[in-house]
Amino acid sequence: DQQVKQNSPSLSVQEGRISILNCDYTNSMFDYFLWYKKYPAEGPTFLISISSIKDKNEDGRFTVFLNKSAKHLSLHIVPSQPGDSAVYFCAASGTGNQFYFGTGTSLTVIP
Amino acid sequence: KAGVTQTPRYLIKTRGQQVTLSCSPISGHRSVSWYQQTPGQGLQFLFEYFSETQRNKGNFPGRFSGRQFSNSRSEMNVSTLELGDSALYLCASSATGRSFETQYFGPGTRLLVL
Repeated sequence: DQQVKQNSPSLSVQEGRISILNCDYTNSMFDYFLWYKKYPAEGPTFLISISSIKDKNEDGRFTVFLNKSAKHLSLHIVPSQPGDSAVYFCAASGTGNQFYFGTGTSLTVIP
Repeated sequence: KAGVTQTPRYLIKTRGQQVTLSCSPISGHRSVSWYQQTPGQGLQFLFEYFSETQRNKGNFPGRFSGRQFSNSRSEMNVSTLELGDSALYLCASSATGRSFETQYFGPGTRLLVL
């Protein structure tokens, strides 16, 4: 039972353009959401998070948007750079201490 | 601060053998979680330890077990290995494992079962 879903396995974007990565969840009890970035042969690296009391959180080129009514979050990267090419995972947690991860979206930024 | 470390980085075993993986969390972190990553499956939660106690467990068979030591280091054991256990095993640490805490990941141990 996949409680966090990333329906796009891959995404290609031109350098300088916006990358939008999407994530849907099913559990309305989730109240904390994160995005991780993963390069091959490395562990995931924390990128940005958002709690359910907010609908937007921004950190430099990265912005996460949360739409609780739609159970949807998205990560915007503006402008996209070749170094952003990686696999991006979204994750969610609720009152417990377990994180649920999506299956990842592989982003390729074309120079 | 040093990050999360995992040893070994790579491991090759044969079916039926057992394996033990090790994880050292960030200094001061007391919660350690383990995940299995396979292609197309994302990160599947195995279990979480806090203060030497398993607090949470995912949907994996009993062949997968773990423990945590008093210095917060954690080990994961897989017995009677199967081909399907080939995966990247990741551990992550956080201060207390409560909600609104970020987990920080190690580089992973790549296990290949032949």
